[in-house]
Amino acid sequence: GESVGLHLPTLSVQEGDNSIINCAYSNSASDYFIWYKQESGKGPQFIIDIRSNMDKRQGQRVTVLLNKTVKHLSLQIAATQPGDSAVYFCAFKAAGNKLTFGGGTRVLVKP
Amino acid sequence: GAGVSQTPSNKVTEKGKYVELRCDPISGHTALYWYRQSLGQGPEFLIYFQGTGAADDSGLPNDRFFAVRPEGSVSTLKIQRTERGDSAVYLCASSLTVGGSTEAFFGQGTRLTVV
Repeated sequence: GESVGLHLPTLSVQEGDNSIINCAYSNSASDYFIWYKQESGKGPQFIIDIRSNMDKRQGQRVTVLLNKTVKHLSLQIAATQPGDSAVYFCAFKAAGNKLTFGGGTRVLVKP
Repeated sequence: GAGVSQTPSNKVTEKGKYVELRCDPISGHTALYWYRQSLGQGPEFLIYFQGTGAADDSGLPNDRFFAVRPEGSVSTLKIQRTERGDSAVYLCASSLTVGGSTEAFFGQGTRLTVV
């Protein structure tokens, strides 16, 4: 299928290392901040979200950090695996439930 | 199937033609969304439905774009007088409810190419 994100910033990481993907936002009215993973030829897949009144949330191998002071969101992936290779998008949900997606980051996991 | 299904997966059409893109949401999901994704960019919101009604169509770029969801399940995105700039992947998503931490599940998309 068509490759998503041919001109996106790329993070190359060694298999087994930790990955950190960053995202800046400008809309302070967002209720939820969400990370999506998108593999080539597929739709975005929900990874984890965090409510605006939290600053950290952990899932399986993933942690999302929210810094409202500097309007910064990050996704940490522990022990990155080849299956983690994809384009990652941050997204923001405000009133009305529509998502506003930020720019994506391509993650390439090197064996 | 358990996921959101979109048909066709690929559509090539000539400039000026009319196209319809179909979305079958997850059974029981009341909210349905359409997004458009251009190469190298994140999805952009087009419209979302709560049940049969369009709750927010603020993302539709112009009046050539229209979407319906007559029975509150399947939705069709309709594009009239297609232009080359309409070429993109059109994504559909559905969620159980609206609001809060309600996860939206995306389909694989329909890749529209206008030649």
